[in-house]
Amino acid sequence: EAGVVQSPRYKIIEKKQPVAFWCNPISGHNTLYWYRQNLGQGPELLIRYENEEAVDDSQLPKDRFSAERLKGVDSTLKIQPAELGDSAVYLCASSLGGTLNYGYTFGSGTRLTVV
Amino acid sequence: LAKTTQPISMDSYEGQEVNITCSHNNIATNDYITWYQQFPSQGPRFIIQGYKTKVTNEVASLFIPADRKSSTLSLPRVSLSDTAVYYCLVGSSGSARQLTFGSGTQLTVLP
Repeated sequence: EAGVVQSPRYKIIEKKQPVAFWCNPISGHNTLYWYRQNLGQGPELLIRYENEEAVDDSQLPKDRFSAERLKGVDSTLKIQPAELGDSAVYLCASSLGGTLNYGYTFGSGTRLTVV
Repeated sequence: LAKTTQPISMDSYEGQEVNITCSHNNIATNDYITWYQQFPSQGPRFIIQGYKTKVTNEVASLFIPADRKSSTLSLPRVSLSDTAVYYCLVGSSGSARQLTFGSGTQLTVLP
């Protein structure tokens, strides 16, 4: 079974430029999460989807960040315009039904560097 | 969501048993305790989950005392490849269905 697939693995952009990250969750997983992880810290939740509906986006900086999950499968996270402080690893995770019983499966992440 | 406290770092030698303790004084009745492992340049990986007493799988054991205010992840006979950050999380499916990560414990296994 393929895991959670994210692309690209690395991205370097200049500040004020737009950037997008893509995530394909495990087949059948209806819950999808985007996390941001700064260096030396644990991941922090940005947004959670149940199928195609964003059910928790309270920590998503909505002035510059947006996300979508059309058809309830893969998802895209966008930043426009990027700022220096957005440099981080962006992780996508998925789970079956949002249950904690067997945890979440994370992708390898996209490392963003804003210069 | 209950807050967790764990040591920032730990060192061990190959072949030793490693115990990482996590405090979660405000754990709720419905909360489970979950541990994740993260290697550099990878996403966190689920290790083990428990509610009370002891849980064991092929990777680790999880010990939870009766008051559930703490838990201990036990890694038997660690190897160099167990060097990673270990996160303790507490939450339930009845909450916001999200996991709140702390800063984790950096375990370094020395030869």
